[in-house]
Amino acid sequence: AQSVTQPDIHITVSEGASLELRCNYSYGATPYLFWYVQSPGQGLQLLLKYFSGDTLVQGIKGFEAEFKRSQSSFNLRKPSVHWSDAAEYFCAVGHREGGKLIFGQGTELSVKP
Amino acid sequence: EPEVTQTPSHQVTQMGQEVILRCVPISNHLYFYWYRQILGQKVEFLVSFYNNEISEKSEIFDDQFSVERPDGSNFTLKIRSTKLEDSAMYFCASNLGLEQYFGPGTRLTVT
Repeated sequence: AQSVTQPDIHITVSEGASLELRCNYSYGATPYLFWYVQSPGQGLQLLLKYFSGDTLVQGIKGFEAEFKRSQSSFNLRKPSVHWSDAAEYFCAVGHREGGKLIFGQGTELSVKP
Repeated sequence: EPEVTQTPSHQVTQMGQEVILRCVPISNHLYFYWYRQILGQKVEFLVSFYNNEISEKSEIFDDQFSVERPDGSNFTLKIRSTKLEDSAMYFCASNLGLEQYFGPGTRLTVT
């Protein structure tokens, strides 16, 4: 069965520090991969996506993610975190056009001054 | 920029009552979805809808749930007899290709 694992439930980083949020998936074929961000009480905003091609993808708000097929991973990175990045981050996997998304448990990011 | 909208933003209902959650997907999108997120848990797929019929549903989506596209713009989720465990945030989404756009959610509280 398809699954998505985000091993870190909660991460705290200092403002200005770099960030990496981990995501591993389990799926036989090449999946479609997404990172969404959810601020408290808000909906899900798409940060970036990978469908095919270049395995390093750029997203909004200075985020990037790298697809590594050999590791079944799609880790999210940001070189310098801002206080406004504090939120919950969800990795999600899809496998076909129109198909459902399977979400990871989420990683809550706290940013300390 | 077009966006998915949902109403109401918060609904409180008593156990056993029927509720209808409403969504207006992005106008040229073809696939519509409902997901839910129980407080503190991950987002879970409920159902997808395409060409005026359900294309996929999860085991959560039992006979108490139904979806409808009553006109050209609205997409609704009905829960016939709500239970305490239906309390959650319900998200509507739509897509045209591979990317799903989510609405802001409806927080359903069942008392």
